[in-house]
Amino acid sequence: DSGVTQTPKHLITATGQRVTLRCSPRSGDLSVYWYQQSLDQGLQFLIQYYNGEERAKGNILERFSAQQFPDLHSELNLSSLELGDSALYFCASSGGQGTGELFFGEGSRLTVL
Amino acid sequence: AQTVTQSQPEMSVQEAETVTLSCTYDTSENNYYLFWYKQPPSRQMILVIRQEAYKQQNATENRFSVNFQKAAKSFSLKISDSQLGDTAMYFCAFMKQNTDKLIFGTGTRLQVFP
Repeated sequence: DSGVTQTPKHLITATGQRVTLRCSPRSGDLSVYWYQQSLDQGLQFLIQYYNGEERAKGNILERFSAQQFPDLHSELNLSSLELGDSALYFCASSGGQGTGELFFGEGSRLTVL
Repeated sequence: AQTVTQSQPEMSVQEAETVTLSCTYDTSENNYYLFWYKQPPSRQMILVIRQEAYKQQNATENRFSVNFQKAAKSFSLKISDSQLGDTAMYFCAFMKQNTDKLIFGTGTRLQVFP
């Protein structure tokens, strides 16, 4: 158990809809990262938050947004969903000191029909 | 920009044998970390091994070891005495120091046969 909690584990929705994925980091970790893993692909970095502030942004679509709350949990919002958004969305956390180790949650599998 | 390449989409090995997974990367940075992550069917991403670029000594974790060739930008993973539980996707990843941003390769699917 990595200590990172993601909900929901599975989500099925229709095109055009909006969903919110939630992540609770390990106790004490200030950094939260979101990654997208499409079928048989590697993980693509979406965005990083550190102590409530956006720190780095990757290939995140404008239809997607994220935030980190004062209690350090994070939410990833996906809107105007398309079929191609179907993927595993991972959250990871770390202490944020650049020491190199991230702890991953079990992922949220999103299916867009 | 940094890139990570895993040229072996699939590998197989018999139980108790040794297998080596390849990874190359491209960067102009001098200080960075390299990782191997395992993703079993449960889909959890599990850190297998970590290497600091400034260390010449290859990292080892029980049956897992790496061959880090900094000049060649190569970072292969050797799994000794393979076990059925090693069946998984293996991802090589790069992180520039002080960034916490992991860049992943496309993965190698390893099947261990009895």
